[in-house]
Amino acid sequence: EVQLVESGGGLVQPGGSLRLSCAASGFTFSSYSMNWVRQAPGKGLEWVSYISSSSSTIYYADSVKGRFTISRDNAKNSLYLQMNSLRAEDTAVYYCARDLGAGTPYYMDVWGKGTTVTVSS
Amino acid sequence: SYVLTQPPSVSVAPGQTARITCGGNNIGSKSVHWYQQKPGQAPVLVVYDDSDRPSGIPERFSGSNSGNTATLTISRVEAGDEADYYCQVWDSSSDHPFGTGTKVTVL
Repeated sequence: EVQLVESGGGLVQPGGSLRLSCAASGFTFSSYSMNWVRQAPGKGLEWVSYISSSSSTIYYADSVKGRFTISRDNAKNSLYLQMNSLRAEDTAVYYCARDLGAGTPYYMDVWGKGTTVTVSS
Repeated sequence: SYVLTQPPSVSVAPGQTARITCGGNNIGSKSVHWYQQKPGQAPVLVVYDDSDRPSGIPERFSGSNSGNTATLTISRVEAGDEADYYCQVWDSSSDHPFGTGTKVTVL
């Protein structure tokens, strides 16, 4: 079964850091690009970041550029999101999602259940 | 910046047809994808490349795209179709690939 499982969410103070992980199984992880997408409480979907299969192409939304870093370890079938200088507006459910694009974002056919990040003092 | 505009809500009676629009400048020249999200759940891809359905998605879900409007059509609506629906388009001029979302209510 194709599966994505996020972890690492939690409560963090403004200005703090958190590292999210996404464990992939049931498919050849190294062949696919990946995304992080978030959803603030009661709000719509917001794309956060994209990484190609070989990590050669990386994109960020302007709202997180310079604060968040996406990475992957194909040997461990894992995707990561390092989040620094967190703000209250980063509070959201964070989803990892498989992308069908090759070097360019396209569409997302598999999603994890999400992990919740709360930024509050 | 490329903006995708969806109606906030659509209401439909069971058995009828729901049409959800996604407006964008010359969106007909781009590939549009649609996601369904039920409360407390992750999004699910229901249509990709304007009108293709992933395996397991009922034929009741269909899509079209022309001019400045893409449309997701849900035929013979069921109570289980009640959800939020988002269109998605990648454009190099925007880092907001998702539409504003439409809440479908089954009366």
